[in-house]
Amino acid sequence: AQKITQTQPGMFVQEKEAVTLDCTYDTSDQSYGLFWYKQPSSGEMIFLIYQGSYDEQNATEGRYSLNFQKARKSANLVISASQLGDSAMYFCAMREHTDSSYKLIFGSGTRLLVRP
Amino acid sequence: DGGITQSPKYLFRKEGQNVTLSCEQNLNHDAMYWYRQDPGQGLRLIYYSQIVNDFQKGDIAEGYSVSREKKESFPLTVTSAQKNPTAFYLCASSMASGGSYNEQFFGPGTRLTVL
Repeated sequence: AQKITQTQPGMFVQEKEAVTLDCTYDTSDQSYGLFWYKQPSSGEMIFLIYQGSYDEQNATEGRYSLNFQKARKSANLVISASQLGDSAMYFCAMREHTDSSYKLIFGSGTRLLVRP
Repeated sequence: DGGITQSPKYLFRKEGQNVTLSCEQNLNHDAMYWYRQDPGQGLRLIYYSQIVNDFQKGDIAEGYSVSREKKESFPLTVTSAQKNPTAFYLCASSMASGGSYNEQFFGPGTRLTVL
């Protein structure tokens, strides 16, 4: 069963507007972590934001915030005031604590294009 | 500067040849990982290592091999047994202890093309 689902293959947003990228996950673990990474066309993966399953407040990091709805198993990324440099692939990832490893499971990604 | 280096950036290989992708980190991280990314898709885990001289298979280990003789280095060999090796390969590292917040830091990647 797919553990991380990103249902939006591509998204457009107007510069300076906010955009939400969807991510739902599936786990039976009580302790887990959710990550968002950005991948520009150059290929490197850039860490954006992290949410722990026990964190009571939604994570924020500059223009990035994570809308964490635990009961719905969703961890959507919100980018405020979009910039042209935000155009990239965005990946949601989860780490479970079912074993002693720190493996990440990635979704298929969302390509965001910011229009001037 | 601390970080992860991967070499080469682009690699071309003839069918039937083995090829080794380099990954070095100076972040003093215990854990290292290899991922494969195909066009338009997410990352899939090939192998990972949490400590020197130990490594585990990921989801798509067939046709690949690794070694972890030093903490800083985690080379990946793509063998001739890998049926479709053309892909983008990313190496990552992270701390292997502590709480759940252990972000993985990624290298710039190697794009492998089989001719």
